[in-house]
Amino acid sequence: AAGVIQSPRHLIKEKRETATLKCYPIPRHDTVYWYQQGPGQDPQFLISFYEKMQSDKGSIPDRFSAQQFSDYHSELNMSSLELGDSALYFCASSSRYGTTYNEQFFGPGTRLTVL
Amino acid sequence: DQQVKQNSPSLSVQEGRISILNCDYTNSMFDYFLWYKKYPAEGPTFLISISSIKDKNEDGRFTVFLNKSAKHLSLHIVPSQPGDSAVYFCAASAFGNQFYFGTGTSLTVIP
Repeated sequence: AAGVIQSPRHLIKEKRETATLKCYPIPRHDTVYWYQQGPGQDPQFLISFYEKMQSDKGSIPDRFSAQQFSDYHSELNMSSLELGDSALYFCASSSRYGTTYNEQFFGPGTRLTVL
Repeated sequence: DQQVKQNSPSLSVQEGRISILNCDYTNSMFDYFLWYKKYPAEGPTFLISISSIKDKNEDGRFTVFLNKSAKHLSLHIVPSQPGDSAVYFCAASAFGNQFYFGTGTSLTVIP
């Protein structure tokens, strides 16, 4: 079965650079969530989109922005990168309908390293 | 403020025995709970879920129990296998919104 796809899997950037992370949800899933997991920490919710509209916002820095496109894929744009942004970024998708209602399926994550 | 708590950072269990992982939450509006398993440098893998209208859900070797009055849920794995060694997160959400994660419990199953 198709899973959530994230690209790239690994990304190395320098301070003050920008980065774009992409997430492709499971087909027919309408909701995308972004989480950030720092070293030794639990995942922290950043932002979510439902039907291409922002549905919930967590601890996402102002330097970050995200959107969901018409094909339901989502991109997390990160600017003015800081060392503390080094983390594993997970995308998850879910559907508000059907037998897997509200179950979030996670992608493999993008490991961002800021030097 | 941590709304979902896993107070045991680690747990070691002998192969074949039962593993019990615990999770407490503070928000009485949470109506859906999940357990995830995570290997290093990989995304969390869904294990089992339970909605607030149930107090037990079973899937093979995994059973989740929910005690709403105590705001407590637990994951039972029986029998435990070495491949179960991973970090387990519980997560909770309200009304289909974002999930709040616990801090995780690292399970080691000893062969």
